[in-house]
Amino acid sequence: NAGVTQTPKFRILKIGQSMTLQCTQDMNHNYMYWYRQDPGMGLKLIYYSVGAGITDKGEVPNGYNVSRSTTEDFPLRLELAAPSQTSVYFCASKKLAGELFFGEGSRLTVL
Amino acid sequence: DQQVKQNSPSLSVQEGRISILNCDYTNSMFDYFLWYKKYPAEGPTFLISISSIKDKNEDGRFTVFLNKSAKHLSLHIVPSQPGDSAVYFCAGGTQGGSEKLVFGKGTKLTVNP
Repeated sequence: NAGVTQTPKFRILKIGQSMTLQCTQDMNHNYMYWYRQDPGMGLKLIYYSVGAGITDKGEVPNGYNVSRSTTEDFPLRLELAAPSQTSVYFCASKKLAGELFFGEGSRLTVL
Repeated sequence: DQQVKQNSPSLSVQEGRISILNCDYTNSMFDYFLWYKKYPAEGPTFLISISSIKDKNEDGRFTVFLNKSAKHLSLHIVPSQPGDSAVYFCAGGTQGGSEKLVFGKGTKLTVNP
């Protein structure tokens, strides 16, 4: 029972590079979310999706893009990485009125 | 606008005693609240929740209390154990629509043996 799986777990990027954080869930959840957590801060919502083909911006979407072509997958794309994007990224999913299940996180450093 | 506030960044208690973690909120539209627990290098895991129509929910050693008039909730852990040492996040959510959760900044609990 894998739950929410994120890859990679760690990544170092140079300023201006691009990359995609992968997220997949096997619980058939409609709702999926990307959060970032900075030191001493809570979880801030980047993007979310209420179902395949539907995505919307969260609190801090600038510099990121997402897609949701299937129920299972919700990749997060970073374009032109900046030091401000150094953070730990969490993907999460839930069903209607259910609890949120998180992946283990992806630690990204932009140098 | 910080809709969910956890004003204590850290809390230290002795093993066997009670841990009380506090959370305040400003959004009256929240339908439910949740507490998540996070260990280092892991994702947050769900601990306990409470509906906005309830004032208490209990699950083993964990009890969450909700005071709607004060827009305040608290998590009580009795008795505290060293394995409870983690960061605890409070979150508020509204049913329907995006089902987004709004998280506080977290409180780091340390339970000393």
